[in-house]
Amino acid sequence: GAVVSQHPSRVICKSGTSVKIECRSLDFQATTMFWYRQFPKQSLMLMATSNEGSKATYEQGVEKDKFLINHASLTLSTLTVTSAHPEDSSFYICSAGEDDAGELFFGEGSRLTVL
Amino acid sequence: GQNIDQPTEMTATEGAIVQINCTYQTSGFNGLFWYQQHAGEAPTFLSYNVLDGLEEKGRFSSFLSRSKGYSYLLLKELQMKDSASYLCAVRVRPSIGSGYSTLTFGKGTMLLVSP
Repeated sequence: GAVVSQHPSRVICKSGTSVKIECRSLDFQATTMFWYRQFPKQSLMLMATSNEGSKATYEQGVEKDKFLINHASLTLSTLTVTSAHPEDSSFYICSAGEDDAGELFFGEGSRLTVL
Repeated sequence: GQNIDQPTEMTATEGAIVQINCTYQTSGFNGLFWYQQHAGEAPTFLSYNVLDGLEEKGRFSSFLSRSKGYSYLLLKELQMKDSASYLCAVRVRPSIGSGYSTLTFGKGTMLLVSP
């Protein structure tokens, strides 16, 4: 079946630095990918919809200048957490599907810890 | 917006059957997903319903009633490894334009299976 790969799985960084997370669809093309954030013992919250070749669509309350999303190709979307702070520490997960009607596949998730 | 409700916690015994309910209120309904998530891991796909009725897949079954805004996930022959969080997620078409549908998650039901 379709697979979505996410990298890195874990990252620890110092406060004020930027971190890039990659999300790849391995055997299908995804014009749209989704980025979620999950805090401990909470559900997944949609941050933004990444659109290939155009600007991402951010959910209310998500700072677009802090969470930069680039979807440069049909198989790759990146999320960059700029000037990370400890409160940005979370589990970030991407998802993608082959179309708007079928299953959505999740990446393995990236656990970010900001010291 | 969307409103998705599911119980916070459930307990069951190994070998038993458990039903996890999910109710939702939304417009533009475009399918309901159930995911399993173990602590520290990304969600894994269990089932997808877009039409009314029961979908069976091995030990797992999912039911949907669109008119009632109701779904349940049925787990049979419970095993210890089934202890996890079960997430109900509703896919919703955009209200305007031709954008992609988005997936909104409930808070998840933590299932504990005991010997």
